[in-house]
Amino acid sequence: SQTIHQWPATLVQPVGSPLSLECTVEGTSNPNLYWYRQAAGRGLQLLFYSVGIGQISSEVPQNLSASRPQDRQFILSSKKLLLSDSGFYLCAWSLRPAINEQFFGPGTRLTVL
Amino acid sequence: AQKITQTQPGMFVQEKEAVTLDCTYDTSDPSYGLFWYKQPSSGEMIFLIYQGSYDQQNATEGRYSLNFQKARKSANLVISASQLGDSAMYFCAMRENFGNEKLTFGTGTRLTIIP
Repeated sequence: SQTIHQWPATLVQPVGSPLSLECTVEGTSNPNLYWYRQAAGRGLQLLFYSVGIGQISSEVPQNLSASRPQDRQFILSSKKLLLSDSGFYLCAWSLRPAINEQFFGPGTRLTVL
Repeated sequence: AQKITQTQPGMFVQEKEAVTLDCTYDTSDPSYGLFWYKQPSSGEMIFLIYQGSYDQQNATEGRYSLNFQKARKSANLVISASQLGDSAMYFCAMRENFGNEKLTFGTGTRLTIIP
């Protein structure tokens, strides 16, 4: 069966520090991968998605970037965090083509101070 | 215009009663899919149910059913015999054009089940 991992689970970082969040998927090949952000009490905002190694689509201009160095690995990064980067970050995967549901990881709660 | 609208920010329901969570959507694409997710306090998004725009019958999954009214662009989630464990945020989402990589989510409804 397929599983999706995210780490760390929680993170507190100072403004201006770098960020690296990692997501890995097991039990499937060639998945679509997604990064979402959820502000407190709000819905999900799609940040990036990837349909293959090295292929990244950005949905929202911002302080963040994403990379997919391996088929089942998706990384969210920032060189300098802003206060507004605080939130709950969720990674998800889906089969390709993306006809049906996305499956989500446990999320990372990021607080920027 | 919002693609997905969930007009109920919060609902309180007595245990064992049925509950309907509203979702309306906006698309001009004839091919689309509608999804419901549950987000408990732990934060993980749990897929509940899916309805395709060409599906003739309403989707059902155990205690969950989707009341799909295509002409009204409505895809309400119905939970029968609610349980305390149903307390969570519920999100409606849409994929326009089968094969589109992206889901668009609504703002969610917080459901609280009262014992």
